[in-house]
Amino acid sequence: GAVVSQHPSWVICKSGTSVKIECRSLDFQATTMFWYRQFPKQSLMLMATSNEGSKATYEQGVEKDKFLINHASLTLSTLTVTSAHPEDSSFYICSASGLRGFDKNIQYFGAGTRLSVL
Amino acid sequence: AQSVTQLGSHVSVSEGALVLLRCNYSSSVPPYLFWYVQYPNQGLQLLLKYTTGATLVKGINGFEAEFKKSETSFHLTKPSAHMSDAAEYFCAVSGPNFGNEKLTFGTGTRLTIIP
Repeated sequence: GAVVSQHPSWVICKSGTSVKIECRSLDFQATTMFWYRQFPKQSLMLMATSNEGSKATYEQGVEKDKFLINHASLTLSTLTVTSAHPEDSSFYICSASGLRGFDKNIQYFGAGTRLSVL
Repeated sequence: AQSVTQLGSHVSVSEGALVLLRCNYSSSVPPYLFWYVQYPNQGLQLLLKYTTGATLVKGINGFEAEFKKSETSFHLTKPSAHMSDAAEYFCAVSGPNFGNEKLTFGTGTRLTIIP
């Protein structure tokens, strides 16, 4: 099946620094990638939708200048948390869809990245 | 607008017993419905989906779900629980372009299997 790789799986950073999370679709092309945030014991909240080669569409309440999303190719999207603060600590999950050669009608999820900001 | 309600944030069943996880949805367009499973510190894995056609859909690991439009429900069942089924389960809904359209998730149900 389709595999989405997310890196790193866990990152600890100091307050005020920036952290980049990568989401890659392995051996296939993803036209759309989604970024979710999940708080402990809660559901996933969509942060933004990104299409290759265009600007991401952010959900209401998500700061686009704080959570920078880049989808420069059909296999890679990145989420950069800028000037991270402890309240940004969370589990971030990406997903990919529009996969040529696979079921284009579902989203395939990465394993997630746990961000801890000290 | 779309929404999903999962009744019961925690469900415990004995090993070998029936698993029933409830999901009700609200959608202004014909819904596409999904069940995902999440193991600790991992991403989501698709269990099954309903798009069109047969209302009873079968998924992986022996799970199945039935779409009931009149009840706006999409409950997940498994005849006999296994210890490996212990996980968090999420019901989700999306619209007509469901592959490229955002998913709206329920709040999740944590399934515990009692030996």
